[in-house]
Amino acid sequence: AAGVIQSPRHLIKEKRETATLKCYPIPRHDTVYWYQQGPGQDPQFLISFYEKMQSDKGSIPDRFSAQQFSDYHSELNMSSLELGDSALYFCASSLGNRGSYEQYFGPGTRLTVT
Amino acid sequence: KNQVEQSPQSLIILEGKNCTLQCNYTVSPFSNLRWYKQDTGRGPVSLTIMTFSENTKSNGRYTATLDADTKQSSLHITASQLSDSASYICVVSAPTGGGNKLTFGTGTQLKVEL
Repeated sequence: AAGVIQSPRHLIKEKRETATLKCYPIPRHDTVYWYQQGPGQDPQFLISFYEKMQSDKGSIPDRFSAQQFSDYHSELNMSSLELGDSALYFCASSLGNRGSYEQYFGPGTRLTVT
Repeated sequence: KNQVEQSPQSLIILEGKNCTLQCNYTVSPFSNLRWYKQDTGRGPVSLTIMTFSENTKSNGRYTATLDADTKQSSLHITASQLSDSASYICVVSAPTGGGNKLTFGTGTQLKVEL
């Protein structure tokens, strides 16, 4: 069965550069969630989209922005990168945005800021 | 203070033995509680999902329990295998205006040895 696809899997950027992470949800899933997991930390919810509209916002820095496109894939844009942005970024998708719907996680993108 | 606390932080058991992981939460209101297994550097994989009306749910060798009154959950693993070595994360889903938000627990790092 198709799973959530994230690209790239690994990314190395320098401070103050920009980065774009992509997430392709499971086919027919209309909701996408972004999480950031620092080394040895719990995943932190960043932002979510349902039917191409932002549905919830967590601890996403103002330097980051995201959107969901007409084909339901989502992109997380990160600007003015800082060393502290180094983390695993997970995307999850679900069919519907109600609490009872299961979220399926992608393999993550490991971002390293040097 | 984290709204989802897990214990123990880490656990080492011998292959074939059983173990029980604990989760206490204060998140309110509450939609459902999920247990995830996360291998290092990989995305979390769902094991069970329970609504407030469910007391127990099994998935193979994994059995989760939930006491919504005391806000406690447990994950019991029977006949452990080496491949069970991973981080086990308790996640509580709460409804928000636009959808739902997951609060991740602190995780229990399980190591199964020969």
